[in-house]
Order: sequence, then structure tokens, then C-alpha cells
Amino acid sequence: QSALTQPASVSGSPGQSITISCTGTSSDVGGYNYVSWYQQHPGKAPKLMIYDVTNRPSGVSNRFSGSKSGNTASLTISGLQAEDEADYYCSSYTRSSTLGVFGGGTKLTVL
Amino acid sequence: EVQLVESGGGLVKPGGSLRLSCAASGFTFSSYSMNWVRQAPGKGLEWVSSISSSSSYIYYADSVKGRFTISRDNAKNSLYLQMNSLRAEDTAVYYCAREGSSGSYYCDYWGQGTLVTVSS
Repeated sequence: QSALTQPASVSGSPGQSITISCTGTSSDVGGYNYVSWYQQHPGKAPKLMIYDVTNRPSGVSNRFSGSKSGNTASLTISGLQAEDEADYYCSSYTRSSTLGVFGGGTKLTVL
Repeated sequence: EVQLVESGGGLVKPGGSLRLSCAASGFTFSSYSMNWVRQAPGKGLEWVSSISSSSSYIYYADSVKGRFTISRDNAKNSLYLQMNSLRAEDTAVYYCAREGSSGSYYCDYWGQGTLVTVSS
């Protein structure tokens, strides 16, 4: 069982907005601003989309945004596009381990 | 352009050993911590091991502690993962990933991965 909880799947139509949640505890998500989000297309390597809760790496579309409230972090994708269809993983620093922890992943389907 | 290229994966019998390599280019390798992350077929991501820029700090997941050894050669811009006593549950794609800026807790660049299959 993953340390961080994500919904198994979410879906949305092109142009809509969707939000993927990532729930942890005060030992990880809630206690530190070190949540990151990764996008992974089938057969490809993960790609960093958001780091330190809200920051977007250079080259990542501003349609992707991150936030956090309490023990739950969220990734919002606005103006959904077909190429956004992928798996999304959250990750966080945790004081329970010397390595980070991942969520179980969320499959985004663009209808 | 940052590039990470893994190699060394393959089919190995349970109890066997394998050494993965990751060749880095396009950045000052010696300035960054590096990680190995794996993904079992159809499953999610799992942190395996991390090594600081000068090899002073090394961490392992409990699932591989005592069996896997991470190392690096900054002169060769290379990262390694020596995997011993392999088990079926170690079957996965293994990714080499660069940690972000010093003290960060995310990986900003990833290799394409190398598949390790443990089976008799």
C-alpha cells in the first residue's frame, strides 16, 4: 500500500479542468512544502510537472498548477488537452524515511 | 541538454546479481545528488536509493537494504546500482533520476529506464 493516497482514475473533457488529490499525513504532505508531481505517458519516463507544492519547472505549461491544504495536496490541470492523458504521481518528503514517498498514481482520461 | 542513459538491465535468475549503470551528460554531474527509482510492471513508482554529490550520504529503501549498493564515479559522470540476491519482486524498470537543487526533494530529469527481470 502506497504511503500517499491518490484516486485511481479521473476523467474530463477537452477544455475542462480537473483536480487530482494526494492525501498523506502530518509526517509528509502536511508537515512540509516538499510535494512534487510527475506525469508519465505509457512506456515513457516520468516528467516533473510541479515541485515544492506550487512551482512549475521551466517548459511546463501554466495549465498545470499545484496547491496544498492540510494533509492533502492537489494538482489541477485547466483547459484539458488530449496530450494530458497520462498517469500522474505525487511524491513528498517524509520524516518517516530517508527517501521520499510516492502516491499510487492516478490515470487521467481525456474523454 | 541533460541526458541520463541507463544500461545493464536484463534477465537474471533469483539469487543472481546485476549491475546497472547510468551515464550522465549535459550538466555538472558532480554537483548533484542522484537517485534510482523503479516501477514494477503495471505498478507505481518506488524510490530505491539515493546518493549525494560526493557520496557522503547514501540511503536505501527497506526493501533493498543489504542487497543493493549505490555508487557513483564523478570522473566518469556515471551512477551505478549493484543488485545482489535478486528476487522476483525486484522485477521492474529501473530509472536513474537527477535530484533538483541541493536540499531539494524532487527529481527534475529522468533516464528512459532499463528493465530488470528476475525469473527462473
